[in-house]
Amino acid sequence: AQSVTQLGNHVSVSEGALVLLRCNYSSSVPPYLFWYVQYPNQGLQLLLKYTSAATLVKGINGFEAEFKKSETSFHLTKPSAHMSDAAEYFCADQTGANNLFFGTGTRLTVIP
Amino acid sequence: KAGVTQTPRYLIKTRGQQVTLSCSPISGHRSVSWYQQTPGQGLQFLFEYFSETQRNKGNFPGRFSGRQFSNSRSEMNVSTLELGDSALYLCASSRGTAGGDETQYFGPGTRLLVL
Repeated sequence: AQSVTQLGNHVSVSEGALVLLRCNYSSSVPPYLFWYVQYPNQGLQLLLKYTSAATLVKGINGFEAEFKKSETSFHLTKPSAHMSDAAEYFCADQTGANNLFFGTGTRLTVIP
Repeated sequence: KAGVTQTPRYLIKTRGQQVTLSCSPISGHRSVSWYQQTPGQGLQFLFEYFSETQRNKGNFPGRFSGRQFSNSRSEMNVSTLELGDSALYLCASSRGTAGGDETQYFGPGTRLLVL
């Protein structure tokens, strides 16, 4: 069965510090993995996606994620946090039927 | 290119009423999916429409239904509203190839409050 686990409901980092948001997947078939960001009172915006072309995926706003099959992980990182990165981040796995299965989300707070 | 639009943005209803939400996809996109977002259950898939046909369905009661028109616009209907239906309803559009790598683009959502 498909499942996505995001470790940590809330992560706080200082401005300029490394951002690391964790995501583990459980899929019996090769996964298609996505990271979305949601700002307050808005919909979801795609940050990046993994489609097996490359294990290191670069996204928008300086974010990247590395797919590690041996660890069943797809953690999201950014070298230097900016105040504008404060938002909620969702990791998701998608079946071939346009059905995104989301993790519970991680709220990122950036401390000035 | 215009993004996904949803109307209305906010809605207040009372228990027992019904509600219809609308979603206009990105031009050229033929698939529309609907999701419910609540603090308790998170983001959950409701259903997906492609070429006016429901192609996939999540685990929601029959009170939740939808349809898609020939121009790919979609509506979602919830009948006999319950307090627990209060949520942000998001729609997403995509080209509709149903490949697992296809990107879904989300609208801003409709926030429904049931009193």
